[in-house]
Amino acid sequence: QSALTQPASVSGSPGQSITISCTGTRSDVGGYNYVSWYQQHPGKAPKLMIYEVSNRPSGVSNRFSGSKSGNTASLTISGLQAEDEADYYCSSYTISSTLETVFGTGTKVTVL
Amino acid sequence: QITLKESGPTLVKPTQTLTLTCTFSGFSLSTSGVGVGWIRQPPGKALEWLALIYWDDDMDYSPSLKSRLTITKDTSKNQVVLTMTNMDPVDTGTYYCVHRRKYDYHVDYWGQGTLVTVSS
Repeated sequence: QSALTQPASVSGSPGQSITISCTGTRSDVGGYNYVSWYQQHPGKAPKLMIYEVSNRPSGVSNRFSGSKSGNTASLTISGLQAEDEADYYCSSYTISSTLETVFGTGTKVTVL
Repeated sequence: QITLKESGPTLVKPTQTLTLTCTFSGFSLSTSGVGVGWIRQPPGKALEWLALIYWDDDMDYSPSLKSRLTITKDTSKNQVVLTMTNMDPVDTGTYYCVHRRKYDYHVDYWGQGTLVTVSS
């Protein structure tokens, strides 16, 4: 099972909006609404930010939003803040693995 | 409040077997739908699922690592144990214990992670 494809890095200035893409296939992202996104600060465990494409867990800022079109899912961070600088990983249900989920390659978000 | 914590050696030699224990609280692995699994992350690299065990003893493994992995649970102790045989330097990384519900397909709780280095 190949990892989902994400851009290596995305950057933006404070207050701007940025979007991170996550590209898969019809066997994963495109075929099911089970895409999730995780934020990981250096030396810390990942934190769930979005699940089932666009749902935010309790306590996650509404500046984070998710969407999907075809085989590509997206995470948008609006009103970018310094604390948003982190690595972000997408994940999706997949029929290609008995573990049923696959992660993306990861994106480093830099706040300029 | 759900918490998970990993424990085990920080350094193992090549060819040795790694045994990691996840001790959790705030839920029971005898509750329908509950699963506990392991995810690892090599330094500077992406996350990778290793194994998952459910309340009903169903188990899933990474296809590429299946021959080297064993996951077990002790419901009475609130623990899940992962063993990985024939360790290699490429297995160096942080190993996370996680909580995931069957049919949810996302990880809602993570342990703090434990760094395992494979070196002679």
